[in-house]
Amino acid sequence: GENVEQHPSTLSVQEGDSAVIKCTYSDSASNYFPWYKQELGKGPQLIIDIRSNVGEKKDQRIAVTLNKTAKHFSLHITETQPEDSAVYFCAASSNTGKLIFGQGTTLQVKP
Amino acid sequence: GAVVSQHPSWVICKSGTSVKIECRSLDFQATTMFWYRQFPKQSLMLMATSNEGSKATYEQGVEKDKFLINHASLTLSTLTVTSAHPEDSSFYICSAPTASGIYEQYFGPGTRLTVT
Repeated sequence: GENVEQHPSTLSVQEGDSAVIKCTYSDSASNYFPWYKQELGKGPQLIIDIRSNVGEKKDQRIAVTLNKTAKHFSLHITETQPEDSAVYFCAASSNTGKLIFGQGTTLQVKP
Repeated sequence: GAVVSQHPSWVICKSGTSVKIECRSLDFQATTMFWYRQFPKQSLMLMATSNEGSKATYEQGVEKDKFLINHASLTLSTLTVTSAHPEDSSFYICSAPTASGIYEQYFGPGTRLTVT
């Protein structure tokens, strides 16, 4: 079945450094790839997304890249801040709208 | 952005009882909503797709008679956990696609269910 693998499971960086989280997906029909930030006890918050007809998208300090051939997509956070500390999830979906989530990455930004 | 609410935010119930969780889209209509379950330190697992005016579709392994879903209107979907057991204790989260299409989804704040 559809599967999304996410790495690393934990990531610790110094404030101001960059953080990169990577995901791979198995379903070639996937065409939408969102990233969510989840804080403890809260629902996921959409931070950026990309569709299959685009290779890269940037929003201020956050960027996402997509390699359809390799079925890889990545989240890049630059100039990290302590408030970026949270659990980040990648996901993939096709035209059904059903999201398949990666396992999550706990990001810790040390001040 | 679009807002999705859930009620209650947390609930404690005794084993064997039923509990209902509401999911509302506050500023848009949603013919489809999704229900997820998240155990501590784990990812979100899709349970079912709620369809306004028709039956919900459940993911493999999810008992439809235990997790009753009703999509009564274009802004409300409910999940009822029937005959709850301690293993049903989890974080239940709903999501709804925005009017822009099925792709972009917004999530509710989640409901923490504890079954004693």
